[in-house]
Amino acid sequence: EPEVTQTPSHQVTQMGQEVILRCVPISNHLYFYWYRQILGQKVEFLVSFYNNEISEKSEIFDDQFSVERPDGSNFTLKIRSTKLEDSAMYFCASDPDGRDTDTQYFGPGTRLTVL
Amino acid sequence: AQSVTQLDSHVSVSEGTPVLLRCNYSSSYSPSLFWYVQHPNKGLQLLLKYTSAATLVKGINGFEAEFKKSETSFHLTKPSAHMSDAAEYFCVVSDQKRFYFGSGTKLNVKP
Repeated sequence: EPEVTQTPSHQVTQMGQEVILRCVPISNHLYFYWYRQILGQKVEFLVSFYNNEISEKSEIFDDQFSVERPDGSNFTLKIRSTKLEDSAMYFCASDPDGRDTDTQYFGPGTRLTVL
Repeated sequence: AQSVTQLDSHVSVSEGTPVLLRCNYSSSYSPSLFWYVQHPNKGLQLLLKYTSAATLVKGINGFEAEFKKSETSFHLTKPSAHMSDAAEYFCVVSDQKRFYFGSGTKLNVKP
């Protein structure tokens, strides 16, 4: 069964450094998402992406964040200058065509630790 | 606006006894509702979803959930818990733009 994959599984970085989190969505899916979960808090939506552009973003997704689909398979989340409060588990998800009845398929997550 | 409340942060049951994980939602229109499970160091796996067809939804591993519009609830049940059910469970409501997660319920299954 196709899966969403994410790399790395754990990333440790110094405050102020740039990080790129990578995801490979399921191959025939058209909508891609990033969510995050700060320890002890709810999973929160960050951004959705369709047709090579952002379709929606939350108030969390400020100018420090960017997303890209650099080729036909990868979907990346970049944080330009990490802050301590960016420490969280980041989940990538994809779905076939963005309808509200669609299942989103989630990757295993990348745990980001900012020191 | 959509939101989800999971009423219990932790639930502990004995193996072989029923499981009830409670979820209430708030939605401005007829919602799509999901239950996901997360085992340690694993991704979020879909258990089941409600999309305005039958109100009783059957999912994987013997789980089911009933959509009750009058109570704005979507509780997850299983008749008999198994040790492998120990995990964190998330109730989710969807609009066309994003998922809204509950805070999660950790299920502990005692032998």
